[in-house]
Amino acid sequence: GQNIDQPTEMTATEGAIVQINCTYQTSGFNGLFWYQQHAGEAPTFLSYNVLDGLEEKGRFSSFLSRSKGYSYLLLKELQMKDSASYLCAFGNSGAGSYQLTFGKGTKLSVIP
Amino acid sequence: KAGVTQTPRYLIKTRGQQVTLSCSPISGHRSVSWYQQTPGQGLQFLFEYFSETQRNKGNFPGRFSGRQFSNSRSEMNVSTLELGDSALYLCASTLGGSNTEAFFGQGTRLTVV
Repeated sequence: GQNIDQPTEMTATEGAIVQINCTYQTSGFNGLFWYQQHAGEAPTFLSYNVLDGLEEKGRFSSFLSRSKGYSYLLLKELQMKDSASYLCAFGNSGAGSYQLTFGKGTKLSVIP
Repeated sequence: KAGVTQTPRYLIKTRGQQVTLSCSPISGHRSVSWYQQTPGQGLQFLFEYFSETQRNKGNFPGRFSGRQFSNSRSEMNVSTLELGDSALYLCASTLGGSNTEAFFGQGTRLTVV
């Protein structure tokens, strides 16, 4: 079957570093996505990993281990505006289609 | 370029009614996917259309249906609404490849009373 897990909530201090973990199980895998969603807004793309390793994009980095079914999103130099839900999702293209399977999201609260 | 546009933004319907939601993808994007987002279940895949064909469908009852037009605009329909259908319905457009990012619309907030 398909499954994806991430912590429900996390709290971190402004200026600190936080790591949000995601584990998944799937038979068809075409990459791991991270999205950010502020309350009442649409999810916006943060990163995509298809090969093992670390992808860095400014203050945000994402890591993937396909053999372990594991990914994490690393946020550095936290700012108050980073308070949002972070959604982990894997892509699969069964039957040639495009489908994302999402975790339930991690609500990150950044405190002063 | 313009983003993904969903209309209406908010809807209130009565149990038993039916509803149609609309999604206009980014120009040039041929794949449109629909997701239901609820606090308890998160984002769940409804279906995906590409070039007017439904390529994949999630685990939702037949009351949920959709279609895509030749200009890539898509609609989804929910018939015989139930209280549990209250959710944020999000549409996402992509170029169509499995390794491309999805761009989401602002969603339609449906409340069933």
